[in-house]
Amino acid sequence: DGGITQSPKYLFRKEGQNVTLSCEQNLNHDAMYWYRQDPGQGLRLIYYSQIVNDFQKGDIAEGYSVSREKKESFPLTVTSAQKNPTAFYLCASSPRDRELHYGYTFGSGTRLTVV
Amino acid sequence: GENVEQHPSTLSVQEGDSAVIKCTYSDSASNYFPWYKQELGKRPQLIIDIRSNVGEKKDQRIAVTLNKTAKHFSLHITETQPEDSAVYFCAATGANNLFFGTGTRLTVIP
Repeated sequence: DGGITQSPKYLFRKEGQNVTLSCEQNLNHDAMYWYRQDPGQGLRLIYYSQIVNDFQKGDIAEGYSVSREKKESFPLTVTSAQKNPTAFYLCASSPRDRELHYGYTFGSGTRLTVV
Repeated sequence: GENVEQHPSTLSVQEGDSAVIKCTYSDSASNYFPWYKQELGKRPQLIIDIRSNVGEKKDQRIAVTLNKTAKHFSLHITETQPEDSAVYFCAATGANNLFFGTGTRLTVIP
């Protein structure tokens, strides 16, 4: 999976249930990101983390939570407060440099459906 | 924050023709502009990128141009092939992350 692994590939959530999406990378990247993809809306940033034990809200953080206890791992929890969670979720990572930006490496995604 | 607009949203071309996708950005501090290709049901993959100190970059049939003054950049694909059919996303840097355009669905007609 090119060094960044998301699981599961498909996930079904019942109303009122919290679910956690896994993202693991072995690229030694400092920065990790979660994006949500809906048809016609591109990629919207949920949360990002530039270093272990620190993370920041993105544009659509409401109803989501994250943790960054290890450099390799950045799990995303979709809580019951997220009213419209059905979407394709993409995790990404990148090297971090104070002056230079780098392209992201994406995971293969998790498709979440509310049932 | 950064705002990235991308046009067109859909594009159909005959095999062998060229395709051009255009993006504009709002933050004059943006200095890195990658392009991603996403095939159906798969992850976005970086196909080419350009930094703000360069006006044009080529990689075989793909090229990207950047006009910093006008704050726009474009992806050019020449001699298109059916396997170029995908959704293409442009992006520009914000303070700490990338901001993405809404995507262009390119269809290459054999």
